[in-house]
Amino acid sequence: DQQVKQNSPSLSVQEGRISILNCDYTNSMFDYFLWYKKYPAEGPTFLISISSIKDKNEDGRFTVFLNKSAKHLSLHIVPSQPGDSAVYFCAASPSMNYGGSQGNLIFGKGTKLSVKP
Amino acid sequence: KAGVTQTPRYLIKTRGQQVTLSCSPISGHRSVSWYQQTPGQGLQFLFEYFSETQRNKGNFPGRFSGRQFSNSRSEMNVSTLELGDSALYLCASSLAGLYGYTFGSGTRLTVV
Repeated sequence: DQQVKQNSPSLSVQEGRISILNCDYTNSMFDYFLWYKKYPAEGPTFLISISSIKDKNEDGRFTVFLNKSAKHLSLHIVPSQPGDSAVYFCAASPSMNYGGSQGNLIFGKGTKLSVKP
Repeated sequence: KAGVTQTPRYLIKTRGQQVTLSCSPISGHRSVSWYQQTPGQGLQFLFEYFSETQRNKGNFPGRFSGRQFSNSRSEMNVSTLELGDSALYLCASSLAGLYGYTFGSGTRLTVV
């Protein structure tokens, strides 16, 4: 029973265009969402996050949108660059939990993004 | 500032053997979490240790265990290895919760 779903295993876009990666979740207790980027043989690298009190967070070329009623979030990359080619993971947690020990994330299975020059 | 260090990077073991993987967190980080990454299942949470205590555990059999030492370094152990245990094992450390959550490069375990 997957709580975080990334239904597109792969996505191919042209350099300079927008990449949109989607993620759906089922658990309404999730309160904090993150996107990670992963290259082969490396650990995931944090990209951007969003708390459920927001519906949008922007960081340079990366923007994450959250639709709580639809339990859906998306990552927009504009403009896409060849160096963005990697596997992107969506992850969720019940809370940021600064003071506690909830150091575990529920991940989707990832979407492999290919940006063609 | 050193990142999360996992050793060894690569490991080949035979079915039925046991294996121990090591993770050194970022200095000052007290929480260490372990994940298994396989092509079919993505990243799955194994367990989390905080101040030498296991705080959370994922849905894995008892063959998977771990511990954390007083210096926050952590080890995970897999006994009676099966072919399906072949995976990339990732460790993440944080100050607490998700604050500063950082992954290591992982240990690639191959069971033959």
